Amino acid sequence: QKEVEQDPGPLSVPEGAIVSLNCTYSNSAFQYFMWYRQYSRKGPELLMYTYSSGNKEDGRFTAQVDKSSKYISLFIRDSQPSDSATYLCAMSSYGGSNYKLTFGKGTLLTVNP
Amino acid sequence: DTAVSQTPKYLVTQMGNDKSIKCEQNLGHDTMYWYKQDSKKFLKIMFSYNNKELIINETVPNRFSPKSPDKAHLNLHINSLELGDSAVYFCASSLTGVGAQETQYFGPGTRLLVL
Repeated sequence: QKEVEQDPGPLSVPEGAIVSLNCTYSNSAFQYFMWYRQYSRKGPELLMYTYSSGNKEDGRFTAQVDKSSKYISLFIRDSQPSDSATYLCAMSSYGGSNYKLTFGKGTLLTVNP
Repeated sequence: DTAVSQTPKYLVTQMGNDKSIKCEQNLGHDTMYWYKQDSKKFLKIMFSYNNKELIINETVPNRFSPKSPDKAHLNLHINSLELGDSAVYFCASSLTGVGAQETQYFGPGTRLLVL
């Protein structure tokens, strides 16, 4: 079993839909959780960061962490065609100087106008 | 005005060759990273350097040798290329490298194809 599991999709939704993207993980030591967005043929860019459990909201994006279930989610409200990209979850157990990010496979999202 | 740049963008080469990929960041960051993204899209850390010092060295074949001439540059040299080395290699940087919450800024990637 991989440390981080993420459904690769593809996921196709109409413009304006609410999108839910999810990752599960097996390492209970993970405390730092991130979502990266990667457009086609580009490098990933950090979208959201959450420490430990709880919710975080930033505009149309909400990140949720449920450590008891080892499950994290990213919600996109009022999705736009410009949100079409691959979304990668990433997590780390350690916040010091030699931390490593463990990434999920990424979910390919297409928002159709 | 690219923050993290990589050259070349594309690299097609034969098995057994030696090749280098260069990375430069103009963000004034202390820490730089190399990641490999394989055909299944898994992004995996290979190395990280902080102020020219090796911090993370994952279980990467020793055919891969990173070199950091200064904190703004981190190059990756690959000897005796194999088919399985075909992937996209991303360079990234972060301000201090301390703390998983710190944003890592990725370059555009180098697409390596070994024939």
